[in-house]
Amino acid sequence: GDSVTQMEGPVTLSEEAFLTINCTYTATGYPSLFWYVQYPGEGLQLLLKATKADDKGSNKGFEATYRKETTSFHLEKGSVQVSDSAVYFCALSDRGDMRFGAGTRLTVKP
Amino acid sequence: DSGVTQTPKHLITATGQRVTLRCSPRSGDLSVYWYQQSLDQGLQFLIQYYNGEERAKGNILERFSAQQFPDLHSELNLSSLELGDSALYFCASSPSGLAGTGELFFGEGSRLTVL
Repeated sequence: GDSVTQMEGPVTLSEEAFLTINCTYTATGYPSLFWYVQYPGEGLQLLLKATKADDKGSNKGFEATYRKETTSFHLEKGSVQVSDSAVYFCALSDRGDMRFGAGTRLTVKP
Repeated sequence: DSGVTQTPKHLITATGQRVTLRCSPRSGDLSVYWYQQSLDQGLQFLIQYYNGEERAKGNILERFSAQQFPDLHSELNLSSLELGDSALYFCASSPSGLAGTGELFFGEGSRLTVL
């Protein structure tokens, strides 16, 4: 079935460092791809999305490009802040439901 | 505030017991999704309802059941509880039956502890 695999964490970076969190997917159709973020003590919230190949989703300095040829949707940010510390989930939706990766915990130190 | 309300926020119970978790979706949203988040399993999709009907089923155990009522709120029933059922249970809602057309709006979760 459809699934998402993302890099294991935790990831610890210094403030202003470059961030990459890898995500690859397996799907039989043409899914929409998402990144969700979960801040401590809260539910998940949408960070960005892309609905077709070569689309780039972006929000709050984060970007991810839907790469059909490599079945990937890697999350990047050029300069992380302490406030970006959270758990990041890659997700896909193809047949109506939404499947999430295991999550990657990011800690940004001042 | 996502607009999705889950109760109770915390619940402690014993093995073998039964509990009910409740979710009120955002106003106007027709779909409700249930997820289980545990440390070793990540975020697991359990089940989706759309306008009162089951739409999709994931890794939901036979001991678990759910329903969506005419007012669109949903309940997740967990019975014969085991220690391994201890987890954070999230409800999410969306306007349509197709999650890929938009985003899911998550509640803050119900933390279940089975002793």
